[in-house]
Amino acid sequence: AQTVTQSQPEMSVQEAETVTLSCTYDTSESDYYLFWYKQPPSRQMILVIRQEAYKQQNATENRFSVNFQKAAKSFSLKISDSQLGDAAMYFCAYKGSSGDKLTFGTGTRLAVRP
Amino acid sequence: AAGVIQSPRHLIKEKRETATLKCYPIPRHDTVYWYQQGPGQDPQFLISFYEKMQSDKGSIPDRFSAQQFSDYHSELNMSSLELGDSALYFCASSFRGNTIYFGEGSWLTVV
Repeated sequence: AQTVTQSQPEMSVQEAETVTLSCTYDTSESDYYLFWYKQPPSRQMILVIRQEAYKQQNATENRFSVNFQKAAKSFSLKISDSQLGDAAMYFCAYKGSSGDKLTFGTGTRLAVRP
Repeated sequence: AAGVIQSPRHLIKEKRETATLKCYPIPRHDTVYWYQQGPGQDPQFLISFYEKMQSDKGSIPDRFSAQQFSDYHSELNMSSLELGDSALYFCASSFRGNTIYFGEGSWLTVV
């Protein structure tokens, strides 16, 4: 079974600074998808960024980018120019190509200091 | 752009009662998922449907059942409710197993 590990329960960043959230996963599949979801206090689950395992290029969405290391099974999220609205719980998630569902990590709560 | 629609957004039920949650996926999406998120926890997969057929099953109690209808909307039925069923229930959808998009969730409180 696939597992996703987020080893940082909480992180803090100064507004306008950069922060990196860590995620590792375990799988025997070679083709899969990885995601970062943001869950603000409203508890909505918002897609931040996605990465296909077969793509070597790291995904980027505006201030959000990932560092995907397939051999190391690592998938970290970098948030640049942090804003107060970035404060939320961030979940790393895995989805196999053959499997259907998302498997989530336990989340990292990000605080942004003004 | 259309999103996943869930109803009701909030629901309060007493123990041993029954609750039904509804989900309308993004148009043309062929897969619907149900997740349960307890307080301070990550979302746990319950069940999924692909083209109206059950495609995968997770940690869904026997007291819960779900189905997807001909118009692709889905319903999660929860019977003999227990206090521990109090949670945020997400419905999500995807097209061809691609990116999964979540609804805003339905808050169930069992008293």
